[in-house]
Amino acid sequence: AQTVTQSQPEMSVQEAETVTLSCTYDTSESDYYLFWYKQPPSRQMILVIRQEAYKQQNATENRFSVNFQKAAKSFSLKISDSQLGDAAMYFCAYQSSGSRLTFGEGTQLTVNP
Amino acid sequence: KAGVTQTPRYLIKTRGQQVTLSCSPISGHRSVSWYQQTPGQGLQFLFEYFSETQRNKGNFPGRFSGRQFSNSRSEMNVSTLELGDSALYLCASSLLGVGTDAEAFFGQGTRLTVV
Repeated sequence: AQTVTQSQPEMSVQEAETVTLSCTYDTSESDYYLFWYKQPPSRQMILVIRQEAYKQQNATENRFSVNFQKAAKSFSLKISDSQLGDAAMYFCAYQSSGSRLTFGEGTQLTVNP
Repeated sequence: KAGVTQTPRYLIKTRGQQVTLSCSPISGHRSVSWYQQTPGQGLQFLFEYFSETQRNKGNFPGRFSGRQFSNSRSEMNVSTLELGDSALYLCASSLLGVGTDAEAFFGQGTRLTVV
């Protein structure tokens, strides 16, 4: 079974600085998708960024980028120029063909003004 | 376009009762997935419905069931409620469903409290 591990239950960052959230996963599949979701206090899960395993290039969405290391099964999220609105719970998630989303435990990100 | 709508937003039930939660997906989306979120277990997959058929199922007891209607709206039912069923229940809709590269859009969830 696939597992996703987020080893940082909590992280904090100063406004305008950069923070990196870590995620590792375990799978025997070669083709899969990885996601970072953000869950603010409203509880609605919002997709931040996605990465297809077959793509070597790291995904980027504005201030959000990932460092995808397929061999190491690592998928970290970098948030640049952090903003107060970035404060939320962040979940790393894995999905392969024919399976469901498997989420990590989450990292609570605090942004300090 | 309208997002994923879950009703009700909050619910309080007594142990032993049953409950039905509703999810209306984004128009045109045929897949609806349900997840349970608790502080102890995190986010766990319950099941997925696609075109009125259950296509995937998580490791939950038979007390948890669901269905999907021809308009893609889905309901989740929990019978004989237990205190441990208290959770945030999230619904996600997508065009193609689990295991594809189609993005899953989540609703705001239904907070169920069992007393």
